[in-house]
Amino acid sequence: DAGVIQSPRHEVTEMGQEVTLRCKPISGHDYLFWYRQTMMRGLELLIYFNNNVPIDDSGMPEDRFSAKMPNASFSTLKIQPSEPRDSAVYFCASSPGQVKSPLHFGNGTRLTVT
Amino acid sequence: GESVGLHLPTLSVQEGDNSIINCAYSNSASDYFIWYKQESGKGPQFIIDIRSNMDKRQGQRVTVLLNKTVKHLSLQIAATQPGDSAVYFCAEHSSASKIIFGSGTRLSIRP
Repeated sequence: DAGVIQSPRHEVTEMGQEVTLRCKPISGHDYLFWYRQTMMRGLELLIYFNNNVPIDDSGMPEDRFSAKMPNASFSTLKIQPSEPRDSAVYFCASSPGQVKSPLHFGNGTRLTVT
Repeated sequence: GESVGLHLPTLSVQEGDNSIINCAYSNSASDYFIWYKQESGKGPQFIIDIRSNMDKRQGQRVTVLLNKTVKHLSLQIAATQPGDSAVYFCAEHSSASKIIFGSGTRLSIRP
């Protein structure tokens, strides 16, 4: 298995632009998580899905952030409009979910908003 | 690669020595714990886990100890190697989706 695949690896954009981050979870995993990592705040959970349904989005910073999971093999995290304070590394992770088990993380998307 | 934190506590260890990384967890209801390793430019990777019905678990060169009385978790790495340089996170689960990550410890290896 290729593991969790995220794209792009790096994204540089100007303030006000729309940004879309993509994730392909490990096949057969029921849970998908989006995390944000910054120097100041560490790893923060933004949202997670179970069987493609958003369960908890309380970590999403504000309405500028949205996430979708149209099918079991694909999820997107969109920021519109982007702001410099959104600059961070965004990770997607998946897990089988039926029992407590480790998360499998992708290698992240480094977002820089200028 | 990305820097995961300039303000992380750092543990500096001589190559070949054993490393011990500590973590205090917050939720007494947590019953599953995981250590992750994060190398520069990569996502966190699973190292070893332990469930609350155990107090020790060993892997290859790594051992996790759990003290539920004081809510403390530790990761021991035997014969530390340059490839062990990374940031190490503990994580606690109180459910399959309720996961709390620690702030991380940077392990630095001296040659």
